Amino acid sequence: SQTIHQWPATLVQPVGSPLSLECTVEGTSNPNLYWYRQAAGRGLQLLFYSVGIGQISSEVPQNLSASRPQDRQFILSSKKLLLSDSGFYLCAWSGLGVNEQYFGPGTRLTVT
Amino acid sequence: SQQGEEDPQALSIQEGENATMNCSYKTSINNLQWYRQNSGRGLVHLILIRSNEREKHSGRLRVTLDTSKKSSSLLITASRAADTASYFCATVEADNFNKFYFGSGTKLNVKP
Repeated sequence: SQTIHQWPATLVQPVGSPLSLECTVEGTSNPNLYWYRQAAGRGLQLLFYSVGIGQISSEVPQNLSASRPQDRQFILSSKKLLLSDSGFYLCAWSGLGVNEQYFGPGTRLTVT
Repeated sequence: SQQGEEDPQALSIQEGENATMNCSYKTSINNLQWYRQNSGRGLVHLILIRSNEREKHSGRLRVTLDTSKKSSSLLITASRAADTASYFCATVEADNFNKFYFGSGTKLNVKP
């Protein structure tokens, strides 16, 4: 069966520090991968999606970036965090075609 | 923005009652999906309805889709305290199956 992992679960970082969040998927090949951010009490904002290694589509211009160095690994990064980067970050995967998404447990990021 | 909007934002009912949530969206879609999120957790897929379908059932869930009105509803029958969660609709673009747009969610509280 397929599983999706995210780490860390929680993170407190000062403004201006770098960020690296990792997401890995097991049990499937060539998944579509997604990064979302959820502000407190709000919906999900699509940040990036990837349909293959090295292929990244950005939905929202900001100080975040994403990379996909391996088929089942998706990384969200920032060189310098802003206060507005605080939120709940969710990674998700979906199969080929129009299928449902499967979400990881999320990372709660607090920028202080 | 193509993001859907759920209505109501919050709903409080007694156990055993039915809960109805609505979702509206703006552009052409391939399908619409409903997800559930327990507090502080990732989202879980509930049901998918394609643009050429009008109604779909899964257990205690009933989803309708009206593409002429660009709206969908989720009905949970005979609610239970365990149904307490936030519910989100997500639309998948007709011309880009990789893009999922989530609404702002309905927070459902089922009182025992």
